[in-house]
Amino acid sequence: AQSVTQLDSHVSVSEGTPVLLRCNYSSSYSPSLFWYVQHPNKGLQLLLKYTSAATLVKGINGFEAEFKKSETSFHLTKPSAHMSDAAEYFCVVSEMGNYQLIWGAGTKLIIKP
Amino acid sequence: NAGVTQTPKFQVLKTGQSMTLQCAQDMNHEYMSWYRQDPGMGLRLIHYSVGAGITDQGEVPNGYNVSRSTTEDFPLRLLSAAPSQTSVYFCASSYQTGQANSPLHFGNGTRLTVT
Repeated sequence: AQSVTQLDSHVSVSEGTPVLLRCNYSSSYSPSLFWYVQHPNKGLQLLLKYTSAATLVKGINGFEAEFKKSETSFHLTKPSAHMSDAAEYFCVVSEMGNYQLIWGAGTKLIIKP
Repeated sequence: NAGVTQTPKFQVLKTGQSMTLQCAQDMNHEYMSWYRQDPGMGLRLIHYSVGAGITDQGEVPNGYNVSRSTTEDFPLRLLSAAPSQTSVYFCASSYQTGQANSPLHFGNGTRLTVT
């Protein structure tokens, strides 16, 4: 069975410092993995996706994530946080042919000036 | 392109009332779905559809009905509203889910309060 665990409900960093949002997953088969972002009072937007072609995935706004099969992790990183990155981030897993995506509980990213 | 359009944006219901949340997409996506979002719980799938005339239950289907008579529209019906259905509802569509090249496109959400 699939599951997703986002290890931190809140992450607080200072502007200009690195961001790390952690995600572990479990999947019986080769998964597809996504990160979505939700800015306050807005809908959700795809940040990046794992296509199985490359383990390091680059997304929008300078974010990237690395798929580590041995650690069943898909952590999201950014070298330098910006105030506009303040949002909630969701890690999502799906399996080929399974129409139900499994969502993590979300990590709220707080950026301190 | 409008993408995914949800109406209404806000709704207040009394316990026992019924209503329909509308969702339409203009991207010719086969897959459509309804989620509810509650604090600390991420998104939970209510119902989904893989094409016109085909619907199936998600994780939390009780108290909700759906239909898919056309590719474009996927309304969500609350049969008899309960306070536990107070939530933010999102409609989402994709070309075909379960594949990395078919990300979800979301509407802007409907904030529902049941008193």
